[in-house]
Amino acid sequence: GAGVSQSPSNKVTEKGKDVELRCDPISGHTALYWYRQSLGQGLEFLIYFQGNSAPDKSGLPSDRFSAERTGGSVSTLTIQRTQQEDSAVYLCASSLGPPEGVNTQYFGPGTRLTVL
Amino acid sequence: AQSVTQLDSQVPVFEEAPVELRCNYSSSVSVYLFWYVQYPNQGLQLLLKYLSGSTLVKGINGFEAEFNKSQTSFHLRKPSVHISDTAEYFCAVRPLNTDKLIFGTGTRLQVFP
Repeated sequence: GAGVSQSPSNKVTEKGKDVELRCDPISGHTALYWYRQSLGQGLEFLIYFQGNSAPDKSGLPSDRFSAERTGGSVSTLTIQRTQQEDSAVYLCASSLGPPEGVNTQYFGPGTRLTVL
Repeated sequence: AQSVTQLDSQVPVFEEAPVELRCNYSSSVSVYLFWYVQYPNQGLQLLLKYLSGSTLVKGINGFEAEFNKSQTSFHLRKPSVHISDTAEYFCAVRPLNTDKLIFGTGTRLQVFP
């Protein structure tokens, strides 16, 4: 079956522009996560959606970052007024719901964002 | 708060040699433990996980890890590596009171012929 897909695979933008990154989770997975992978920073948790519950936004680094998940499936991560420090690989993962399903997160290939 | 430390950013090793990638964690609550692998230009794949039970966990591709609660460690081992094991390896924890993963900074394993 299809895995987690993300688009675009690469995005180059100018400082100050807004960008949208898309994630299509595995069908039937109720949990969806966004992480950021930066050089020297490892992987940082950004936001987590589980079913119809309010998302856990505790990892979002600033109010320029937001995410939504429509219809419990596709998710979009939006970065407004991009800064050079936003350059990173943005990874999406999905899993079956809690309690044990969240222990196996399946990751997409990521979107490499470069802010010039 | 929780944190994961992977002290070795790079580990060079010759093919067929044994390897150990170190992982230590800090947490005020109980955690589940994971190792993920990221091959060049690919996404993260789960290698193995410790949830409960036997502290020695076997994963894919001949890797295994041992949970040591007293040392708060979860080191990854393989008795004989292959060129194809060249990749970045990430240790992660999931605190039992949350559903998110907390990752270490990764260890790049480079296997030479």
